[in-house]
Amino acid sequence: GQQLNQSPQSMFIQEGEDVSMNCTSSSIFNTWLWYKQDPGEGPVLLIALYKAGELTSNGRLTAQFGITRKDSFLNISASIPSDVGIYFCAGHSLSGYSTLTFGKGTMLLVSP
Amino acid sequence: NAGVTQTPKFQVLKTGQSMTLQCAQDMNHNSMYWYRQDPGMGLRLIYYSASEGTTDKGEVPNGYNVSRLNKREFSLRLESAAPSQTSVYFCASRGVAYEQYFGPGTRLTVT
Repeated sequence: GQQLNQSPQSMFIQEGEDVSMNCTSSSIFNTWLWYKQDPGEGPVLLIALYKAGELTSNGRLTAQFGITRKDSFLNISASIPSDVGIYFCAGHSLSGYSTLTFGKGTMLLVSP
Repeated sequence: NAGVTQTPKFQVLKTGQSMTLQCAQDMNHNSMYWYRQDPGMGLRLIYYSASEGTTDKGEVPNGYNVSRLNKREFSLRLESAAPSQTSVYFCASRGVAYEQYFGPGTRLTVT
């Protein structure tokens, strides 16, 4: 089946640093989604991308839909302690019908 | 709007016991999903319901059954719980453009 490779698996950074993470696939996706999961909570949708090349921001978060449609990137600028959590990418392809394919997540730790 | 709600939040079962996890959404979404989340495994789809009256297997359906009771509610049943079903279970519903919205989860331990 389809797989998403999400990297890095984990990051430990200092408050104020910028963060980048990405997802890649061997298949084409027509929708890319980025979620954040706080400890003990369900994933929360951060950003949705629907067109190749699209760049979308949500506060200090910026995500891009890769032009090949096989990858997506999430950047967090000027990180703060509340950015701690697990960030998941997810993609939808037309062959996936009504389902999403999820990456395994990037765990972000921020040191004050 | 409450979004997606799940009950219970925590549950401990003995091997062989049965239970039903409840999920409801108030966003008038057609599609609903059940996932399990295990350390290092990410989110794995158990079952989904693309519309009221239909259900389909996901990646890991064995040991589970589902019921789409109406448009709002989608339940997950464990008929005979096993320790391998210890996990965190999430319900989700799908918006108009494939984005999914998740509930807070049920943390299940099977001893």
